[in-house]
Amino acid sequence: KAGVTQTPRYLIKTRGQQVTLSCSPISGHRSVSWYQQTPGQGLQFLFEYFSETQRNKGNFPGRFSGRQFSNSRSEMNVSTLELGDSALYLCASNIAGTGSSYEQYFGPGTRLTVT
Amino acid sequence: SQQGEEDPQALSIQEGENATMNCSYKTSINNLQWYRQNSGRGLVHLILIRSNEREKHSGRLRVTLDTSKKSSSLLITASRAADTASYFCATDAGSNYQLIWGAGTKLIIKP
Repeated sequence: KAGVTQTPRYLIKTRGQQVTLSCSPISGHRSVSWYQQTPGQGLQFLFEYFSETQRNKGNFPGRFSGRQFSNSRSEMNVSTLELGDSALYLCASNIAGTGSSYEQYFGPGTRLTVT
Repeated sequence: SQQGEEDPQALSIQEGENATMNCSYKTSINNLQWYRQNSGRGLVHLILIRSNEREKHSGRLRVTLDTSKKSSSLLITASRAADTASYFCATDAGSNYQLIWGAGTKLIIKP
């Protein structure tokens, strides 16, 4: 089976712009989670989707949003980018319905740089 | 906020030696997971231990969990250069839908 894929792998944006990141989970996985990783804050949970429904959201401002499609593919969007949004954004998929009870399979991430 | 805190923050050992990393967490959990991250393979799941388990093995990895002390340890035996990576613990903090991560331990294996 193909692993979790994320596109694009690298992105450079300017403050104030918006960005959309994409994640394709492993075939058959219906749960998709998003994380932000920075040197200062480490790995921070953004949100988790299952069957097109957001089941949990981390402590991020409303500029961060996401969605999941019927084929389980997911996108996250960040509007009005700030310098502090520069980070590695990781997507993970999970075979079961409960996102934390089973191992997460991570994609390679999207490296976002905001200038 | 971070649920788990790894100790030490960094660890450098000779190839062949054992490496031990610790993780402490704050609230009750259903399970605790360990992951490894390196530049070549990204973030990879190593082992999951449930709150009713005390010890788990996988190859050269041994994980223990002490729920009374809210702590876990990861032991890597007979370390190899390929074990050089950052190691993270992640807990569910009682929630089914998210993982909360520690800051990680950076492990360097010297040849």
